[in-house]
Amino acid sequence: RKEVEQDPGPFNVPEGATVAFNCTYSNSASQSFFWYRQDCRKEPKLLMSVYSSGNEDGRFTAQLNRASQYISLLIRDSKLSDSATYLCAVNILGYQKVTFGTGTKLQVIP
Amino acid sequence: EPEVTQTPSHQVTQMGQEVILRCVPISNHLYFYWYRQILGQKVEFLVSFYNNEISEKSEIFDDQFSVERPDGSNFTLKIRSTKLEDSAMYFCASATGTGDEKLFFGSGTQLSVL
Repeated sequence: RKEVEQDPGPFNVPEGATVAFNCTYSNSASQSFFWYRQDCRKEPKLLMSVYSSGNEDGRFTAQLNRASQYISLLIRDSKLSDSATYLCAVNILGYQKVTFGTGTKLQVIP
Repeated sequence: EPEVTQTPSHQVTQMGQEVILRCVPISNHLYFYWYRQILGQKVEFLVSFYNNEISEKSEIFDDQFSVERPDGSNFTLKIRSTKLEDSAMYFCASATGTGDEKLFFGSGTQLSVL
């Protein structure tokens, strides 16, 4: 089983739609969780950390389910500028290594 | 806003040649990383570095690879004898070291091995 798994998509959604991505991780010792955004041929940029209690930043909501070992990202009121690849990232406690998923591609359509 | 800078943005080399990719991490960060991304594939961990030592390295990071922090600002990745399959985008990243592991990436060096 891969350390971090994501549905590669693409998810094609109309402007204004709500879209959700999931990401599963295999190691139960995983401690820190993140969502990054990556535009084509650019560097990953941190979108948000994911906390046990769930967290929200504007139109973006991230949640963690430790029991089922997955994290999710919800984007409300999608904008054209949200079109990108969304990377899930996981760090295992005690290891200086952040592992990325393959990413989920989102295309917001006018 | 402080940022991670990488040079060069593009590097073309012949197979078997040595290349050095350079990075200047954010100044007060303590943890440094190299990742690579082959076109169309995932961002893969290569190595992490802290307190002048390698902390973790992946299977990709074999004897052909080395990292160095030659002074207080630069962090370099050397590939001794490049192979065709080393062609990729190489990203440097840094983190504060306060334990949250939030990575800040440079804009990358696109390495093409011919």
